[in-house]
Amino acid sequence: AQSVSQHNHHVILSEAASLELGCNYSYGGTVNLFWYVQYPGQHLQLLLKYFSGDPLVKGIKGFEAEFIKSKFSFNLRKPSVQWSDTAEYFCAVNLWNTGFQKLVFGTGTRLLVSP
Amino acid sequence: DTEVTQTPKHLVMGMTNKKSLKCEQHMGHRAMYWYKQKAKKPPELMFVYSYEKLSINESVPSRFSPECPNSSLLNLHLHALQPEDSALYLCASSQTGAYGYTFGSGTRLTVV
Repeated sequence: AQSVSQHNHHVILSEAASLELGCNYSYGGTVNLFWYVQYPGQHLQLLLKYFSGDPLVKGIKGFEAEFIKSKFSFNLRKPSVQWSDTAEYFCAVNLWNTGFQKLVFGTGTRLLVSP
Repeated sequence: DTEVTQTPKHLVMGMTNKKSLKCEQHMGHRAMYWYKQKAKKPPELMFVYSYEKLSINESVPSRFSPECPNSSLLNLHLHALQPEDSALYLCASSQTGAYGYTFGSGTRLTVV
């Protein structure tokens, strides 16, 4: 079955620590990959996306992600987190089908950054 | 205009009420989506409209009825909901999903 897995459900870090959130997907066809962030009480915001080309993608707020096709992974990284990065992070995969596309989300990772 | 606008932002309704959620975008996107998000859970796809035609219904109960009057508008009609239907309802649009989806702020629905 098509799915998106985020193995880290809760992550707690201190400010300035490095961050890596895992994302794996199971889908054999063409995929486009995204990371979204949802700050407390706010709507989903796009952090970054992979469409094609360079597998290392840079996004907003200092985030980056690396697409490793052989591992079906798209892990999110940030060298130094800030308190303001406290949020829920969702990996998502755009699945292609005849006549339509749909976005499927992973289960999410709740990040808490302590000052 | 690069936004998806949803109204109302909050809605409280009784189990016998009929209400509608509205979503609007003026980016020329040809696909529009309804997602449901329960607390501390990821958004779950409900419906997909592509070129104003219903493309996907993810086995959603008939008490939820989507409507796409034109390429810019998407409605979700609600009738005889249950308390467990309380959630954040998100609308999204895309020109082609590969380039990304734009989400609205959502309607927080409480069924009493």
